[in-house]
Amino acid sequence: GAGVSQTPSNKVTEKGKYVELRCDPISGHTALYWYRQSLGQGPEFLIYFQGTGAADDSGLPNDRFFAVRPEGSVSTLKIQRTERGDSAVYLCASSLGASSYNEQFFGPGTRLTVL
Amino acid sequence: AQTVTQSQPEMSVQEAETVTLSCTYDTSESDYYLFWYKQPPSRQMILVIRQEAYKQQNATENRFSVNFQKAAKSFSLKISDSQLGDAAMYFCAYRTDKLIFGTGTRLQVFP
Repeated sequence: GAGVSQTPSNKVTEKGKYVELRCDPISGHTALYWYRQSLGQGPEFLIYFQGTGAADDSGLPNDRFFAVRPEGSVSTLKIQRTERGDSAVYLCASSLGASSYNEQFFGPGTRLTVL
Repeated sequence: AQTVTQSQPEMSVQEAETVTLSCTYDTSESDYYLFWYKQPPSRQMILVIRQEAYKQQNATENRFSVNFQKAAKSFSLKISDSQLGDAAMYFCAYRTDKLIFGTGTRLQVFP
């Protein structure tokens, strides 16, 4: 079956613009995670969903960042009024459940560049 | 707060040789999982090996094995018989619900 997919692969935008990043998890995976990876760093947790609800959004840096998963499958990460510091690779992962023993499968990421 | 530290920004190894990547972590939890992920230039994070904290036996996956020292909070990765395809960024990660990653080690493999 297909793995986790993310679109777009690359996104270039101007400071102050709004962007949406999409994640399609593996079919049947109830847990979905968003991470942000800045240059030269490891991924940092942003938010995770169990089903349709955000179970933990403690990693969202500020209220410009928002994520939804309305039908418990596809998720969209939304960034308002983008800043140059938002430039990073945004990774999505999904797993069968949120328990620690469930492997997280990662997508290829979206590289966001804010000019 | 849980933290993961990888003190080796870069490592290199000759093909067919063995290399060990270091990782330490800090936590007050007793039940957790530890992982090593590989990230090639394609950006896709690939699970290499996992260790459950309550298991004393070190995990092994083919050429990859770990040295898990729970009391010392150390979790190193040993790659035996290194291959050119092993060249990548390697991230150590700790998990209760979400994953917490270290800063990574870039592994170069020379023929």
